[in-house]
Amino acid sequence: DQQVKQNSPSLSVQEGRISILNCDYTNSMFDYFLWYKKYPAEGPTFLISISSIKDKNEDGRFTVFLNKSAKHLSLHIVPSQPGDSAVYFCAASGGAQKLVFGQGTRLTINP
Amino acid sequence: EPEVTQTPSHQVTQMGQEVILRCVPISNHLYFYWYRQILGQKVEFLVSFYNNEISEKSEIFDDQFSVERPDGSNFTLKIRSTKLEDSAMYFCASTPDLGGNQPQHFGDGTRLSIL
Repeated sequence: DQQVKQNSPSLSVQEGRISILNCDYTNSMFDYFLWYKKYPAEGPTFLISISSIKDKNEDGRFTVFLNKSAKHLSLHIVPSQPGDSAVYFCAASGGAQKLVFGQGTRLTINP
Repeated sequence: EPEVTQTPSHQVTQMGQEVILRCVPISNHLYFYWYRQILGQKVEFLVSFYNNEISEKSEIFDDQFSVERPDGSNFTLKIRSTKLEDSAMYFCASTPDLGGNQPQHFGDGTRLSIL
């Protein structure tokens, strides 16, 4: 099941710079997209979401962009902080409540 | 901030035994979910539950699995006869209702180890 894909297993960014995490999806029925952050030994923590009627949603340092024609979304974190080091999951849903997750991207913020 | 709580944090069980994983969803939430993540793999949907009924279930959620809301606060996942491949992190999640798009809030999970 490859409906949601995060092609970068890891990303390393300098503190203070922008982190950009990417996610692609194949199911055109998806209409709600979310980003979760996960620390070891904890559950996924909701970060930010976007509905398919929008192309951008911003919350503090976090911005999610949605390109429906390309079936692509991205999460921008600026400025990146050491506490942002975690695994980031992209997830999508369409009508039904279940979430379909990507494989995750491990983000490391270097001081 | 209210949170989803799961117990136990780690469960070790012999193959073939029954196991019950417990969750206390956020108090005013009405929709409940179970997901699992096998080591090194994606988080996968198992089942959703609303109004004391299963709303949707995945192919993974076969006859060995069942869910129950035995009282006003707990939501449980039972695995009747565990197999080695059931070893995974199991996450419970909840949302207030289905009105509009709303994020699911997850607990910290139960690590299930089948020996």
